[in-house]
Amino acid sequence: DTEVTQTPKHLVMGMTNKKSLKCEQHMGHRAMYWYKQKAKKPPELMFVYSYEKLSINESVPSRFSPECPNSSLLNLHLHALQPEDSALYLCASSRKIISGGADTQYFGPGTRLTVL
Amino acid sequence: EDQVTQSPEALRLQEGESSSLNCSYTVSGLRGLFWYRQDPGKGPEFLFTLYSAGEEKEKERLKATLTKKESFLHITAPKPEDSATYLCAVQANNQGGKLIFGQGTELSVKP
Repeated sequence: DTEVTQTPKHLVMGMTNKKSLKCEQHMGHRAMYWYKQKAKKPPELMFVYSYEKLSINESVPSRFSPECPNSSLLNLHLHALQPEDSALYLCASSRKIISGGADTQYFGPGTRLTVL
Repeated sequence: EDQVTQSPEALRLQEGESSSLNCSYTVSGLRGLFWYRQDPGKGPEFLFTLYSAGEEKEKERLKATLTKKESFLHITAPKPEDSATYLCAVQANNQGGKLIFGQGTELSVKP
């Protein structure tokens, strides 16, 4: 089973709201990722968690706050977003191979976020 | 600088008309090259991982090949349900598992 689940599927929020996106995997993967994808563009990496610790932050604005409560769960807390933050937010996970070999990432279905 | 370029940007085929998508890459130390399929509004679906030059993998009507500079995704006798955007990505050594994506090829197969 290579399933990554994300909730909610769709989210509409105002610029003053606080909301959270959730991601879950039960494949025993130890790396989890958040991506942002705009229409007709490839996914753009935001954050990487490795063994539940933040290992990469791609200079993402502080209005996006990631959290990894345990090895199966990944959250993205949203606050004071701008309309240009509207996009498809994707979660992915991978085994996290320490040395050598490619580390295949498996993506969830995404959350379609609209900021009004 | 690590870079991935996919061509063509868009491809229209008739059902049954075989063709290939190209992914050219420049990377300092390749750990792997990945192909994904993405339907509109959905997450990328994993297709193949290729590790080294000369490697080939097949799945139904799709066959992926890898050289030291590029990868091809061959589609044999495509069907309308193969219509999607196909994404190529590479993973380099010492990059923390980051994927470098190409811009994608939007494939449309008409009946």
